[in-house]
Amino acid sequence: SQKIEQNSEALNIQEGKTATLTCNYTNYSPAYLQWYRQDPGRGPVFLLLIRENEKEKRKERLKVTFDTTLKQSLFHITASQPADSATYLCALDITGGSYIPTFGRGTSLIVHP
Amino acid sequence: EAQVTQNPRYLITVTGKKLTVTCSQNMNHEYMSWYRQDPGLGLRQIYYSMNVEVTDKGDVPEGYKVSRKEKRNFPLILESPSPNQTSLYFCASSLSVWTTEKLFFGSGTQLSVL
Repeated sequence: SQKIEQNSEALNIQEGKTATLTCNYTNYSPAYLQWYRQDPGRGPVFLLLIRENEKEKRKERLKVTFDTTLKQSLFHITASQPADSATYLCALDITGGSYIPTFGRGTSLIVHP
Repeated sequence: EAQVTQNPRYLITVTGKKLTVTCSQNMNHEYMSWYRQDPGLGLRQIYYSMNVEVTDKGDVPEGYKVSRKEKRNFPLILESPSPNQTSLYFCASSLSVWTTEKLFFGSGTQLSVL
């Protein structure tokens, strides 16, 4: 069955460092992969989308990579700040579109001042 | 301001008492959907709609109904709520009809069924 895995343990880092979050998947041929940020009790907010034929995408301090051979996406936040503390979700939708994206459970990032 | 508005924000009800959670978007989006989020399980899609009068089941549709009579509104209906429907619910919309890219989410409805 299709499966998405994100590290369930919280990631603790110091302010100014680069945070790297991982999203692994199995039994998928994703058309694209998305990253969302979610604050406690709030709805997810879209951050970045990367397509299956793209290797890397950047937006300000954010960078996403997509390796369809390893079936993995890495999400980087450079020069992290305490305000970046949140849960980050990855989501996949399959090639051809199923209209039912599958979300990972999310990884909590805590940036210490 | 572009947004997805859900109401109510919090809802406590009793088993079997019908309820409706409203969802409205002001972005003229074609695609709308409902999710529930439970600890340790992540977001799971309940129903989605590609357009007015076009709805389809997601991964966990049992016990829920939806309707899409207007483009901007997509209410979630629980005809006979049960305690296992206690959850945090999100409505989401997307401009794209054929994909689920760049979803805009509402602020959520925390439902407790006693």
